[in-house]
Order: sequence, then C-alpha cells, then structure tokens
Amino acid sequence: DQQVKQNSPSLSVQEGRISILNCDYTNSMFDYFLWYKKYPAEGPTFLISISSIKDKNEDGRFTVFLNKSAKHLSLHIVPSQPGDSAVYFCAAREYNQGGKLIFGQGTELSVKP
Amino acid sequence: DAGVIQSPRHEVTEMGQEVTLRCKPISGHNSLFWYRQTMMRGLELLIYFNNNVPIDDSGMPEDRFSAKMPNASFSTLKIQPSEPRDSAVYFCASSRNAGGYTFGSGTRLTVV
Repeated sequence: DQQVKQNSPSLSVQEGRISILNCDYTNSMFDYFLWYKKYPAEGPTFLISISSIKDKNEDGRFTVFLNKSAKHLSLHIVPSQPGDSAVYFCAAREYNQGGKLIFGQGTELSVKP
Repeated sequence: DAGVIQSPRHEVTEMGQEVTLRCKPISGHNSLFWYRQTMMRGLELLIYFNNNVPIDDSGMPEDRFSAKMPNASFSTLKIQPSEPRDSAVYFCASSRNAGGYTFGSGTRLTVV
C-alpha cells in the first residue's frame, strides 16, 4: 500500500503562473514532510520541508502547505519558471523510525515559456 | 565534498546474471538508504542502514536482492539472479543523525 500518494503524474503550467503540486498521505505518525526535486539523470535534491506542527513554510518562490486533518500537503511555486521543470517528489518521515523517508510516485512539472 | 557516489551509472545485463551496485556515502553520514525508482511506485525504499547495521529491509522485493555495508564508507546492493522486471533506476542516499538526505546520481539498470 502506498502511504504517500501523488495522484497527478504530470502538470503543465505557463511561465509566470502558479504551479500547485499535491500530495496525500495515510499514516498519522508522520511528523515531517519534505519535497524533493529531480532533474533527468540526476539524483533528487532537497527543496523545502515542513514540520507537522506547522501549516505553512515559505522559502522564496516555494511554499508548502500542510492540512493535517485532511492528511494533505501541497507545494506552490510562484512565479513558475522554465528552470522549475523537473519531477517533484513528496516525502514523509515517521516519528522515531531512524529517519527513513517514504516517497510518493512523483509529479512531472513542465513550465512552458 | 564529492557527495554520494554510485557506480556504475549504467548497467545492462542479461537475465539470470548477477548484478552488483555500489555506493560510497558522504563521509560522516551514519545512515545509508537504497531506493528504487519506478513509474508506478515512485521512489521505493528497499533497505536502510544505521551505523553500518541493517535496520529495515522490508522493502527488499525478494530473496534475490541482498545488501551489505561492510564499513562506513561502502555499501553494495546485489541482485542474483537478475530478471527483466528489476530494470529501474537505483538510488543510494546518505544522511547524518536522521537529517536531510543526499542522493547519489543513481544507477540505471537494464536487464534484457
């Protein structure tokens, strides 16, 4: 069973507009959530994170929102740029499980000029 | 800091052959993770080590898969015998004290 789900395999957005990537989870023991970005032929790299005690974290053009009651988080990119085109993975960490991360399937974002 | 180093970058092998993937974590990191990337399941955790000791191997798909970490600077993931459905990109990642991960560039495995 997939504890972290990204139901949209792909998303296409116009440059300058907002990109919204969504992620749902099922495990209420997750205490930390992260987003990773992956370019072709490279490993994923950390983008932004949020603790379960918060509902929003912002870093420049990137904002992550957490809705614990809905077990849902989202990543907003404003404004979107062509260089943001990549695969975005949502990940979650379970409390006291040695730091292992459970990842979703990924969403491929394409930002068109 | 050279980052997490994986080898080989690409591997093409015939069904039934043994495949060994290698990983050198970042010096000072005490946790190491092996993941497999597929379209259907995204990044699946196969196994992870803390201080060279395997902690959770529940993600290893079958007995054909095995992993070792003989010391803090080296780990291997072995598939024997390999099958076409094992074709995927395999990532190694390391972290320090349950902190953020650093991933390697991955090994693209093709079993024909």
